[in-house]
Amino acid sequence: QLQLRESGPGLVKPSETLSLTCTVSGDPISSSSFFWGWVRQSPGKGLEWIGSFHYTGSTYYSPSLKNRVTISPATSTNQFSLKVTSVTAADTAVYYCARDNSGIGVMDYWGPGTLVTVSS
Amino acid sequence: EIVLTQSPATLSLSPGERATLSCRASQSVSGHLGWYQQKPGQAPRLLIYDASRRATGIPARFSGSGSGTDFTLTISSLEPEDFAVYYCQHRGNWPPAWTFGQGTKVEIK
Repeated sequence: QLQLRESGPGLVKPSETLSLTCTVSGDPISSSSFFWGWVRQSPGKGLEWIGSFHYTGSTYYSPSLKNRVTISPATSTNQFSLKVTSVTAADTAVYYCARDNSGIGVMDYWGPGTLVTVSS
Repeated sequence: EIVLTQSPATLSLSPGERATLSCRASQSVSGHLGWYQQKPGQAPRLLIYDASRRATGIPARFSGSGSGTDFTLTISSLEPEDFAVYYCQHRGNWPPAWTFGQGTKVEIK
């Protein structure tokens, strides 16, 4: 059974870098059948796609975040990471990692999410 | 960039009633549209893909329809556990870009 789980600091100071890791078990992130990505949800708001990657090495980012975001796979540990630089209070959100089934274009497996608060 | 607009923002219904949720795309997305359910404190759960196909384990009371720019999620008879927020979503072909609607909250009347 595929499982994803996010981990990382729950509190980040303004202007610093937010770093999260998604650990995947049950499927290799090097599979050609999937994209792997990050979605966030600010308190009381909707879902916002951050970015995704494919095992071929291609990475795709939301236009609104691409200047501050990096997603990096680590196939040896079956993890992938998210870095968001120069954070502000607007980056406070629950961050989810998820798998997109590339054949059908939907996110069929999600981690439980982790809350990251940006505050001094 | 494709924009997905969901309506209504809130739907107030009683258990046993039928719920009809709409998702409209700013341009044609063919049939590549998904629907998710999200309950408080939980991750979204995939309900529907390819506009009308139920994901594994999803009850038959959930159905999706539509193509092009207009899509509908129907819950034929609301169960107590169905009161939640529902999102539509599309992944563009090239470059891949994932877009979500702003959500419809189905609340108990």
